[in-house]
Amino acid sequence: EAGVAQSPRYKIIEKRQSVAFWCNPISGHATLYWYQQILGQGPKLLIQFQNNGVVDDSQLPKDRFSAERLKGVDSTLKIQPAKLEDSAVYLCASSLAGGPFNEQFFGPGTRLTVL
Amino acid sequence: AQSVTQLGSHVSVSEGALVLLRCNYSSSVPPYLFWYVQYPNQGLQLLLKYTSAATLVKGINGFEAEFKKSETSFHLTKPSAHMSDAAEYFCAVSDEGSNDMRFGAGTRLTVKP
Repeated sequence: EAGVAQSPRYKIIEKRQSVAFWCNPISGHATLYWYQQILGQGPKLLIQFQNNGVVDDSQLPKDRFSAERLKGVDSTLKIQPAKLEDSAVYLCASSLAGGPFNEQFFGPGTRLTVL
Repeated sequence: AQSVTQLGSHVSVSEGALVLLRCNYSSSVPPYLFWYVQYPNQGLQLLLKYTSAATLVKGINGFEAEFKKSETSFHLTKPSAHMSDAAEYFCAVSDEGSNDMRFGAGTRLTVKP
């Protein structure tokens, strides 16, 4: 079974530029998550999708971050414009359904460096 | 709101020694608790989880954790460390009514030969 795929694996940009990350979840997983992991910290949930609808985006900085999952499969996370403090690893995870009983499977992440 | 605190950002043990990684939780409702492992340049992998069944939970790779309500703890242990156990370990908490799984800051485990 293929795991969660993410691209690119690494990205370096200058502040005020835009960047987009892509995630392909495990086939059949209805729930998709984006996390931000700043160096030395645990992952923090940014947004959760159930199929193509947003379940929770309370911690997403909506003035600069946006995410979509148009067909209920792949998802993209965009930052526009980027700030220095956005330097982090962005993790995508998927699960069969939401809630703590359903294991989340994580992708390898995209490491973003903002200069 | 639920949260977890991991005591010790770095733990170093010798190969074959006991591994003990500490996690304390704060939750206003019965929690669900998780331990994840992260190897360099990889995503997180679930080691084990507590979902209000048995208080002693056995996971993969010989790890186990015990839920102690009186101490609000969920410490991770392994009787004998192996070099391949060197990684970052994260404790996380959620509850049935929440979409959010909150992670601790992580503990980096080093295993010395």
